Formats: sequence, C-alpha cells, structure tokens
Amino acid sequence: NAGVTQTPKFRILKIGQSMTLQCTQDMNHNYMYWYRQDPGMGLKLIYYSVGAGITDKGEVPNGYNVSRSTTEDFPLRLELAAPSQTSVYFCASSPTPGRTNEKLFFGSGTQLSVL
Amino acid sequence: KNEVEQSPQNLTAQEGEFITINCSYSVGISALHWLQQHPGGGIVSLFMLSSGKKKHGRLIATINIQEKHSSLHITASHPRDSAVYICAALRGSNYKLTFGKGTLLTVNP
Repeated sequence: NAGVTQTPKFRILKIGQSMTLQCTQDMNHNYMYWYRQDPGMGLKLIYYSVGAGITDKGEVPNGYNVSRSTTEDFPLRLELAAPSQTSVYFCASSPTPGRTNEKLFFGSGTQLSVL
Repeated sequence: KNEVEQSPQNLTAQEGEFITINCSYSVGISALHWLQQHPGGGIVSLFMLSSGKKKHGRLIATINIQEKHSSLHITASHPRDSAVYICAALRGSNYKLTFGKGTLLTVNP
C-alpha cells in the first residue's frame, strides 16, 4: 500500500492564481481531511469528508473548496490564491473515528507559497 | 487560550536521558493522538489512546481523561528521536481534532 499520496510537494503561486492539491489514499478509509500548518501554530482543519459525496467545513475553510467523488480521492482547490494561504498543507485519512488504535495517516505535505 | 496546551515548547536532552512531554486540554475529549513530525515535514501517528497507558518500543503514552492530561515518555532517548511531537484531542462524533502547537525535541549525542 502506498498510504496517502499528496501532490505536489512544492508550489509557488502568484496572487489570484488557482490550483488543486491532489490527495489519494489506497487504504479504503472513509474519513479524509485537509489541514494547514503555519509556523508556530497547531494544525488547523480546512475541510473534512466522512465518505464519498460528503464533505464539511473545518475551522479555516475560507478560500478553499473540496470534493469527494470517490473513496480514494479528496482534492483541495484554492481559488484566487492570497498570501495568507502560504502554508504547508497536509492531507490525512483514517478508517473510522473514535476507536482505540485507529490512527491517522498523513500525506507528505505540500509547501505552498503565494507571492 | 489554545484548548490544547503542550509543554515544554522546546526540549534539549542528552542521548540516553528519559524524556517527558506533557499535553493538557481544557475541554472534554473522547481520545487523544500523539504524532511525530521529523524535519522535512512528514507526520507519523504514534498513539491514539482514550484511557490508561500504551507502549511501543521506547515510547510510552499515558492519559488521565478526568484530569485532562496526557504524557508522552521516551526512554533511553536517541538522536533519531529528534522531532516535533504533537498531541491532538479528539472531540465529538465528527472526528474533529484540536492540535497542540508541538514540542521540539533535540537529542544530542
């Protein structure tokens, strides 16, 4: 199993440009998440999904959109990129919430700079 | 005030020392994760626990739900343990995690 695959690893955008961060998992996990990590801050939840066709906002959803057409894929779309979206983005997945021993699986991260 | 607080923020140890990282939270939770993030960014899940203690190799995690406190211990620390350790509290049925800011551990040879 590849686990959680996240692309690209690095990207520089100009203000106003758009892009999609790709996330794919091959573990048949129902739950998938997008987080951003800013220096000196804890990870913040952008969006999450509890299964194909179901998504919901997290703490910091403004400026982002997601879709979940399949169990495997959970892309994050940035429309009209702004400098405030400069961050490191992580995709994660988990099988079922709340059970003991159910761990989170993270992608390798995307370092995004908006200039 | 962050709902999840970690201490210390930075910790420097000599190889072989016993390490303790603390995590306190101000809200009721159902479980807590401990994560490890190495330089270069990759995040690995170490433990998820809702009561008592878990052990994996030299790592031990404990939690006291009533006292709203968890600890991560590393026995016989090694330079390869150098990383940021993050705790994250699980609340509610929607699996929303609140993350601490992390503890940067540096183990010197």
